[in-house]
Amino acid sequence: GAVVSQHPSWVICKSGTSVKIECRSLDFQATTMFWYRQFPKQSLMLMATSNEGSKATYEQGVEKDKFLINHASLTLSTLTVTSAHPEDSSFYICSAREVGSVHSRTQYFGPGTRLLVL
Amino acid sequence: AQTVTQSQPEMSVQEAETVTLSCTYDTSESDYYLFWYKQPPSRQMILVIRQEAYKQQNATENRFSVNFQKAAKSFSLKISDSQLGDAAMYFCACGRGGSEKLVFGKGMKLTVNP
Repeated sequence: GAVVSQHPSWVICKSGTSVKIECRSLDFQATTMFWYRQFPKQSLMLMATSNEGSKATYEQGVEKDKFLINHASLTLSTLTVTSAHPEDSSFYICSAREVGSVHSRTQYFGPGTRLLVL
Repeated sequence: AQTVTQSQPEMSVQEAETVTLSCTYDTSESDYYLFWYKQPPSRQMILVIRQEAYKQQNATENRFSVNFQKAAKSFSLKISDSQLGDAAMYFCACGRGGSEKLVFGKGMKLTVNP
């Protein structure tokens, strides 16, 4: 149980294009999903908290117009990197919390998406 | 603000032996959870073990156990009978009630020698 998927796992795009990353909870419902960014050999940096049916909450320093987050259902959140530039190249990871579970404070992570902007 | 500190960037252990990974944290919250996650080369974050701060009993999960010292704000992970598959980055994290956001330590790279 508690499986989270991400799609795509790998994406290469040209500078200026937009990229959408999907995060799905496969066997549970998640009212809250989180989006992280991880640079090589570093820890996870929280970008935003995604709440189903409401606007995402962004961490300080994260541009909300650059990183659009939509959480339209209890099993799906999307992160769109708009007008991507090489500095946006990174590893993006999502996580989800299970609704109503005794372990609802546990975050289960997706496998990550590696983005390379040329 | 919460902080999580993993002071050892790297450790190594012989296969079948025991290793302890250290973690200290600081929080003003009374309601919080502590976690250890591992991240193997695949970069998938995998939950190793969790500890509710209100529980005095140390969590155990097969070969993994924690030493939770609440007063000292210490949360170490012990891996017994280390296996080659235990080689990974290990991250300690603290999550508080309400926002449910996790604060991660910088991570520690564990190498398991055959």
